[in-house]
Amino acid sequence: DIQMTQSPSSLSASVGDRVTITCQASQDISNYLNWYQQKPGKAPKLLIYDASNLETGVPSRFSGSGSGTDFTFTISSLQPEDIATYYCQQYDNLLTFTFGPGTKVDIK
Amino acid sequence: QVQLQESGPGLVKPSETLSLTCTVSGYSISSGYYWGWIRQPPGKGLEWIGSIYHSGSTYYNPSLKSRVTISVDTSKNQFSLKLSSVTAADTAVYYCARDPRAPYYFDYWGQGTLVTVSS
Repeated sequence: DIQMTQSPSSLSASVGDRVTITCQASQDISNYLNWYQQKPGKAPKLLIYDASNLETGVPSRFSGSGSGTDFTFTISSLQPEDIATYYCQQYDNLLTFTFGPGTKVDIK
Repeated sequence: QVQLQESGPGLVKPSETLSLTCTVSGYSISSGYYWGWIRQPPGKGLEWIGSIYHSGSTYYNPSLKSRVTISVDTSKNQFSLKLSSVTAADTAVYYCARDPRAPYYFDYWGQGTLVTVSS
């Protein structure tokens, strides 16, 4: 099974700060990596698919990069409405999905 | 606009079977796509349970496979989840969602429904 790790598990940043979250896969997953945002009491929302593609309607301050085992998710300028938990999610040729443990983002 | 809505009992007794239904509106399941179930225990992360195609083809999380059955009813535009022999560890918010390809990502989600396993 492919295992996903995320770091940090939580962070606090100021409005306008650049925020970076990393996700690591236990083996090469090419670019089969997606990112979601989940606000309290709400369903997750797809932000990035295939490691770097921005989902339609998602603000351009969100971006993703990486391939293989190491991936990065960035918020270029943190906004108050970005307070949420962010999850990476991999998919593979064995027809399985695995989510990372999540990174909680707060305003300092 | 595609919308998904979970429904089913909010309380299930240990050892019994959890049953949930997801009703899709704004899109015909018969037209394609895959449809999945994901759960989230209180205060914890997300776990994919399994997915189904409109034809009935299924694929499941290996860790849950022995207890999970997902089915589809295209006439009602619904798909369903059954999880047998539940324990307190199965207490979670259960989400249904759409996957444009198997597997890929989930682009439309239901609001989620909390199922508590308790006697």
